[in-house]
Amino acid sequence: EPEVTQTPSHQVTQMGQEVILRCVPISNHLYFYWYRQILGQKVEFLVSFYNNEISEKSEIFDDQFSVERPDGSNFTLKIRSTKLEDSAMYFCASSDGAGGQFFGPGTRLTVL
Amino acid sequence: QQPVQSPQAVILREGEDAVINCSSSKALYSVHWYRQKHGEAPVFLMILLKGGEQKGHEKISASFNEKKQQSSLYLTASQLSYSGTYFCGTERDGATNKLIFGTGTLLAVQP
Repeated sequence: EPEVTQTPSHQVTQMGQEVILRCVPISNHLYFYWYRQILGQKVEFLVSFYNNEISEKSEIFDDQFSVERPDGSNFTLKIRSTKLEDSAMYFCASSDGAGGQFFGPGTRLTVL
Repeated sequence: QQPVQSPQAVILREGEDAVINCSSSKALYSVHWYRQKHGEAPVFLMILLKGGEQKGHEKISASFNEKKQQSSLYLTASQLSYSGTYFCGTERDGATNKLIFGTGTLLAVQP
């Protein structure tokens, strides 16, 4: 069964550094998303992406964040100048636009 | 804006039933239900679109009352594997597929 994959599974970085989180969505899906979940809290929407552009973003998704689909398979989330409060699990998800969103296993980001 | 779920937590014995509710203050286009086990990603269970539909998935079913802006998830004859945190995700329009997740309901099924 097709699934969303994410790398790395765990990323540790120093405050102020840049990180890139990578995702490979399900191959025939056209809608891509990033969510984050701070430990013990609910899942929060960051951004949705369709047709090579952002379709919606939350107030969390400020200039520190950017997304890109550099090729036909990868979807990336870049976080510039990381802060302590960026520590969270980051989930990528994809959908065909008509059904549910399928989540990847997540990348645990730890900012020290 | 965040959907409110009730109850916050529920403990069941195997074979018992449970209902989890999700309520929004805004008009909804669809409601998605997910189950998340500790340390894992949310797993999609089902989607309900406006129109007041009801869906079933094995012993897990759900309803969506768009007028009341509410959805309920029904778990019957619960199994140990049902344990986890259940989230509803609400979508206000079908254009961006942006999901706003609810507060979550922790379900623990005991032998």
